Amino acid sequence: SQTIHQWPATLVQPVGSPLSLECTVEGTSNPNLYWYRQAAGRGLQLLFYSVGIGQISSEVPQNLSASRPQDRQFILSSKKLLLSDSGFYLCAWNQGAEAFFGQGTRLTVV
Amino acid sequence: AQSVTQPDIHITVSEGASLELRCNYSYGATPYLFWYVQSPGQGLQLLLKYFSGDTLVQGIKGFEAEFKRSQSSFNLRKPSVHWSDAAEYFCAVGVYTNAGKSTFGDGTTLTVKP
Repeated sequence: SQTIHQWPATLVQPVGSPLSLECTVEGTSNPNLYWYRQAAGRGLQLLFYSVGIGQISSEVPQNLSASRPQDRQFILSSKKLLLSDSGFYLCAWNQGAEAFFGQGTRLTVV
Repeated sequence: AQSVTQPDIHITVSEGASLELRCNYSYGATPYLFWYVQSPGQGLQLLLKYFSGDTLVQGIKGFEAEFKRSQSSFNLRKPSVHWSDAAEYFCAVGVYTNAGKSTFGDGTTLTVKP
């Protein structure tokens, strides 16, 4: 069966520091991968998606970037975090029309 | 492009009472519809899904949803709510095209009173 791993679960980072969140999927090949952000009390905002290795599409302009160095690995990064980057970040993969989610990373920028 | 509307931001029900969470969608073709639940600090868990066939679908934890094409709705119901059902609920439209990007509603937060 397929599983998705996302880490770390929580992260507190100072403003201006770099960021790297990692997501890996097991049990499937060539999945569509997604990064979402969820601000407190808000819905899901799609940040990036990828349909293959090295293929990244950005949905909203921002301080973040994404990379897909391997088929089942998706990384969310920033060179310098802003306070506004705080939120709950969710990685997901897609099978057909159905999305499957990781457990999320709570990022607090201080 | 598809869209999903969840009209109720927050709903409070008493434990043991029935529940209905509303979801309206806009999509040009037959939609693939989903309900997810999110507990605080957790990812989203699939409750149920509709692809085709019987318009009343059963899910986990005693939830069901009914697809009504004429009303563009996919409302979630539960006959008797438990305190553990307190969470945030998201309705979504899924697609096979467009890189499979799902569209989510803004969510409904359910509070359960003892």
